[in-house]
Amino acid sequence: LAKTTQPISMDSYEGQEVNITCSHNNIATNDYITWYQQFPSQGPRFIIQGYKTKVTNEVASLFIPADRKSSTLSLPRVSLSDTAVYYCLVGDKNQGGKLIFGQGTELSVKP
Amino acid sequence: DVKVTQSSRYLVKRTGEKVFLECVQDMDHENMFWYRQDPGLGLRLIYFSYDVKMKEKGDIPEGYSVSREKKERFSLILESASTNQTSMYLCASSFTRSGANVLTFGAGSRLTVL
Repeated sequence: LAKTTQPISMDSYEGQEVNITCSHNNIATNDYITWYQQFPSQGPRFIIQGYKTKVTNEVASLFIPADRKSSTLSLPRVSLSDTAVYYCLVGDKNQGGKLIFGQGTELSVKP
Repeated sequence: DVKVTQSSRYLVKRTGEKVFLECVQDMDHENMFWYRQDPGLGLRLIYFSYDVKMKEKGDIPEGYSVSREKKERFSLILESASTNQTSMYLCASSFTRSGANVLTFGAGSRLTVL
């Protein structure tokens, strides 16, 4: 199955900027890139969504290059409460644009 | 805010039992989804539905069925539970089928099959 690819895990310290990159070579033309955050024993929750270039909200920024085959979630000045699993979600043109989650990146923020 | 409610947070069932996992959303969303989540495997799509009485198979439908008799309710059914169906089950809903689809998830139902 065509999938997204993310690093399995990342470590950071409080106050640092964290960048998590997702590869999605088979993204469908009309599909957006969406990132979710998941804490233990909870369902994922929406963080940010974009189609191209850069999107910023109160939580994060999303950078998407022109070819859209990858995207980077940027978390500014992380805190301990940002420790979670982060998922990148895109459609897959080889499967009719069906929503597919990546494996997720487990971010650990240390004091 | 959209709320997606899963009826049971924790269930323990025996092999061979029929299991119903219920999911209700309160924002008139067209689309509903069932995922399962296992360590090291991420979230995998079991079934989804874009309308009442409509269903489509996801990546891992074997051993499961679904029912959507009302727009707000999407049920996942394990006809004969097996130990390899021990997992966290997550229901989600969304408003659009476009590429800008945003999923709202429930809190999850952790099922243990003995």
